[in-house]
Amino acid sequence: KAGVTQTPRYLIKTRGQQVTLSCSPISGHRSVSWYQQTPGQGLQFLFEYFSETQRNKGNFPGRFSGRQFSNSRSEMNVSTLELGDSALYLCASSPTVGGGAYEQYFGPGTRLTVT
Amino acid sequence: KNQVEQSPQSLIILEGKNCTLQCNYTVSPFSNLRWYKQDTGRGPVSLTIMTFSENTKSNGRYTATLDADTKQSSLHITASQLSDSASYICVVSARTNAGKSTFGDGTTLTVKP
Repeated sequence: KAGVTQTPRYLIKTRGQQVTLSCSPISGHRSVSWYQQTPGQGLQFLFEYFSETQRNKGNFPGRFSGRQFSNSRSEMNVSTLELGDSALYLCASSPTVGGGAYEQYFGPGTRLTVT
Repeated sequence: KNQVEQSPQSLIILEGKNCTLQCNYTVSPFSNLRWYKQDTGRGPVSLTIMTFSENTKSNGRYTATLDADTKQSSLHITASQLSDSASYICVVSARTNAGKSTFGDGTTLTVKP
C-alpha cells in the first residue's frame, strides 16, 4: 500500500504571495490532518478533514485554509505569506476521524521557505 | 487545558546504552497515546499506540509503558543504535472533540559512537 504523499516537497515563496500544498492519503483513509512544524514550536495542529468536511481546527489565522475532495485528497492554502510561515507542513491520514485507536500516518512533508 | 509535557528536552547517550523518555499528560477523557519517531526533515513515523487498557507495548527495541492513573507514559529504548538519533514525540488523543490530538514538544535523542 502506498504511503501518504505530499507535493511539492520543497517550495520557496516571497512575502505576500499565496501557496497551495497537496496531500494524497493512504488508499482507503478518509481523514486528513495538517500540521505546521517549526523548530521553536514543535508540531502545531492546523485542521482535520473527514469526508470533505472540516472536523477540527487549530488556532491559526484565516490565511490558512484547506479543503478535501471526494477522493480524500486534500489541499492546504496559505494566502498573503509572512516570513513566520516558513516551516515544514505535514499531512497525516487516518482511516477515521481522530480519537479512535487508529494511528495517523504522516507524509514526508513540504518544506516551505518564505523570503 | 489539555497538555502533553515531555522530558528531557534533549538527551545524548552512547551507542549500545539504554535510555528512557518521559511523557506526562493532562488530556481528558483519555482515548489513546502514541509515540512517534521523527528523523530530521522527515515526517513522524509511528512506534506504538496504546489505549486505556494497555500498559505496555513493544516494537522491536522500543517499549512504551502507560500508567493511566498517574497520566504518565515512558518510552524505553534498548541497546541504542546510531539510527535512533531522532526526535521522539508523544501524542495524546481525547475521546471528545472528535478526538483532537495534543502533541508534546518532543525529546531530541542523539546517539554517539
